[in-house]
Amino acid sequence: QTVVTQEPSLTVSPGGTVTLTCASSTGAVTSGYYPNWFQQKPGQAPRALIYSTSNRQSWTPARFSGSLLGGKAALTLSGVQPEDEAEYYCLLYYGGSWVFGGGTKVTVL
Amino acid sequence: QITLKESGPTLVKPTQTLTLTCTFSGFSLSTSGVGVAWIRQPPGKALEWLALIYWDDDKRYSPSLKSRLTITKDTSKNQVVLTMTNMDPVDTATYYCAHLLAAGLDYWGQGTLVTVSS
Repeated sequence: QTVVTQEPSLTVSPGGTVTLTCASSTGAVTSGYYPNWFQQKPGQAPRALIYSTSNRQSWTPARFSGSLLGGKAALTLSGVQPEDEAEYYCLLYYGGSWVFGGGTKVTVL
Repeated sequence: QITLKESGPTLVKPTQTLTLTCTFSGFSLSTSGVGVAWIRQPPGKALEWLALIYWDDDKRYSPSLKSRLTITKDTSKNQVVLTMTNMDPVDTATYYCAHLLAAGLDYWGQGTLVTVSS
């Protein structure tokens, strides 16, 4: 069974930068996995941020950026705002099916 | 403006079949490249991708749940239906549907909580 792994939690200071990663049990993540990133706040539905590795949704602030880093998909938050405190999920494509990561809880402190 | 809304029972008994409907507006599921996916999230846990149906009626399922899931579409009604058989308390979750385009799940419904209990 395919497993997608994310950091369980990360802490960042306001105005700082943090990078979340998304690894696949099958090996290096490439653009062919079409990485998606989502933000979810308590009691809310997930909100799409990034698709196909690095493409922002029309509503995604420029401080969110997606990339491939060291064989993983990555989401970098620059100039972090208090409202960025949330759970973040990645989603990878496996030739027909998709698999979510376990999520990263980002705390802004 | 794309919107999606999930509907169905809030409570099902173990062994029963769950039927959920996603009613959407702002797009057509007959447009090339478009899909609708189902995702669930048990309370306090991570998201889990369940199934996806494309504009051309291609259907994809989570390998671990494939034997229990069926996804269908009614283009004329702008609806996608997911059925899950043999429900168990571990299937208690909020179930979401979402719009897929260009390998991105962009618009999501608000979700519907389904509790499995006798």
